[in-house]
Amino acid sequence: EVQLVESGGGLVQPGGSLRLYCAASGFTLSSYSMNWVRQAPGKGLEWLSYMSSSGSTIYYADSVEGRFTVSRDSAKNSLVLQVNSLRADDTAVYYCARDLELGGYYYFAMDVWGQGTTVTVSS
Amino acid sequence: EIVLTQSPGTLSLSPGERATLSCRASQRVDRRYLGWYQQKPGQAPRLLIYGASTRATGIPDRFSGSGSGTDFTLTISRLDPEDFAMYFCQKYGTSARYTFGQGTKLEIK
Repeated sequence: EVQLVESGGGLVQPGGSLRLYCAASGFTLSSYSMNWVRQAPGKGLEWLSYMSSSGSTIYYADSVEGRFTVSRDSAKNSLVLQVNSLRADDTAVYYCARDLELGGYYYFAMDVWGQGTTVTVSS
Repeated sequence: EIVLTQSPGTLSLSPGERATLSCRASQRVDRRYLGWYQQKPGQAPRLLIYGASTRATGIPDRFSGSGSGTDFTLTISRLDPEDFAMYFCQKYGTSARYTFGQGTKLEIK
């Protein structure tokens, strides 16, 4: 079964850091481009970052550029999001999501999502 | 930056009725880049439609997407009780940036 499982969330003080993980099963993470998306309590969806399948292309939303870093651990078939300098408005459920790819062609949507990991920034 | 505005904010309907959800873009959007997601409380979003009108794998045919330019629509032909949820439209943009609408809550009347 194709699945993504996030972990690493928790309660952190303002200015603190966390390392979020997204473990893939049923497919090889490095064969797909991947994203992180978050959702603040009661709010909509906010795209945060993108990593291409090769890992050579990475993009970030302006709101997290310079504070968040995405990487991949191919040995563990996992995506990692290092989140630093956390603020109260970073409080959210963080999802990883896979870009939809069919027959070698990307279709500009996200077809597989994890269940999310919750980050709470509070003193 | 293209902004997606969904309407209505809340739609109250009964099972068996037809639902029409709107997603309007502030500038023209390539149909290939327009998607729709369903999200139930406590769950991750689920891809329903990509390319404005193609149903994702396993999505019932009561869900359909249409539109072009700046106006896109998600239609649910006959509402099933399990369809009451939040719905988000999404646009793919430059530098792989996804943008989402603010969502429409479909609730039971």
